[in-house]
Amino acid sequence: SAVISQKPSRDICQRGTSLTIQCQVDSQVTMMFWYRQQPGQSLTLIATANQGSEATYESGFVIDKFPISRPNLTFSTLTVSNMSPEDSSIYLCSVRRETQYFGPGTRLLVL
Amino acid sequence: TQLLEQSPQFLSIQEGENLTVYCNSSSVFSSLQWYRQEPGEGPVLLVTVVTGGEVKKLKRLTFQFGDARKDSSLHITAAQPGDTGLYLCAGVTTDSWGKLQFGAGTQVVVTP
Repeated sequence: SAVISQKPSRDICQRGTSLTIQCQVDSQVTMMFWYRQQPGQSLTLIATANQGSEATYESGFVIDKFPISRPNLTFSTLTVSNMSPEDSSIYLCSVRRETQYFGPGTRLLVL
Repeated sequence: TQLLEQSPQFLSIQEGENLTVYCNSSSVFSSLQWYRQEPGEGPVLLVTVVTGGEVKKLKRLTFQFGDARKDSSLHITAAQPGDTGLYLCAGVTTDSWGKLQFGAGTQVVVTP
């Protein structure tokens, strides 16, 4: 199993600012994933983060907008940069062991 | 991109009734997963189906994978209020990455 925590759990931000979301796993994992879940829509993979290398971004997501750090095997951060109301969403961290585990999510509202 | 469509989007039923949620795609997946997500939480895996035609049961939940591995269904018998939640299907892609492709989800509300 894997226990995943995220900080913050929720935030309200002004447009043009940036927010960094932290993801902590209770044990070492090779691959960590960041997803976005917009209201009424499915979870969309933003990027895959491996320790010691640059994150791999999915189509439609770029490093300048969503920079990711992966300093060790239990921790990762996702930054949502220069935010606009369209970035309002739930951001979820996930890891894969014998199966896929998800964190509780960070609820972001951009005004 | 392999897209998954879930139906219905929303389902409200009385306790004791049965319900079925469908997950359809035009693409083949190596396997398909069902998750349940409750408010304020991340999705939690319920089951993975791998073989075409496979049927798995988890107490009152029955999951079926289509013969062609393109579609799946989730059937809940005698639903209880504790079954309330967002049910998500996710296909595991056939490429080497084995990424998850999620459906939009079905919100199920079971009232006493």
